[in-house]
Amino acid sequence: KAGVTQTPRYLIKTRGQQVTLSCSPISGHRSVSWYQQTPGQGLQFLFEYFSETQRNKGNFPGRFSGRQFSNSRSEMNVSTLELGDSALYLCASSSGLPDDQPQHFGDGTRLSIL
Amino acid sequence: AQSVTQPDIHITVSEGASLELRCNYSYGATPYLFWYVQSPGQGLQLLLKYFSGDTLVQGIKGFEAEFKRSQSSFNLRKPSVHWSDAAEYFCAVGASGGSYIPTFGRGTSLIVHP
Repeated sequence: KAGVTQTPRYLIKTRGQQVTLSCSPISGHRSVSWYQQTPGQGLQFLFEYFSETQRNKGNFPGRFSGRQFSNSRSEMNVSTLELGDSALYLCASSSGLPDDQPQHFGDGTRLSIL
Repeated sequence: AQSVTQPDIHITVSEGASLELRCNYSYGATPYLFWYVQSPGQGLQLLLKYFSGDTLVQGIKGFEAEFKRSQSSFNLRKPSVHWSDAAEYFCAVGASGGSYIPTFGRGTSLIVHP
């Protein structure tokens, strides 16, 4: 059974650009959640998508957005990139049922802003 | 607001020794509690979780954790550490009721000496 797949693994952008990250969940999983990990702020929850709808949202500015497709694959977009957006972005998938919390994480996309 | 404190930034143990990683949380109601492990260059892996019931929770890789409501703690233990356990460990708290918006601790880095 394939795990959670995130692409690309590494990305370098400059300030002001925008970026799109992709996450393919485990087959059959309908929930995808996104996290940002930085040395300064640690691990923070960005948002969760379930059945193509944003179900939960963390405390991030509107520059951070996402979507989910009918096949449950999810994309995360960050516009007008800032230096502080440099981070490891992780996604996780689960069935989305109550009490089934994300157990399966991808290896992340490391985003560097120059 | 919910919060998690992992008082130890680094912990060093010898292989074969016992391990306890501390986690204290702040949450107004009955929390969902989690421990994750992250190896270098990889995503998170869920070790164990507590929702309700028995306060001693068994997880993967020989780990266990005990929920102590009176102390607002959820410490992770392992009786005998292996060199492959060297990694970063994160405690997290989430709201009960199914809406999973986790708050993570800053992590404890485990170093294992041969």
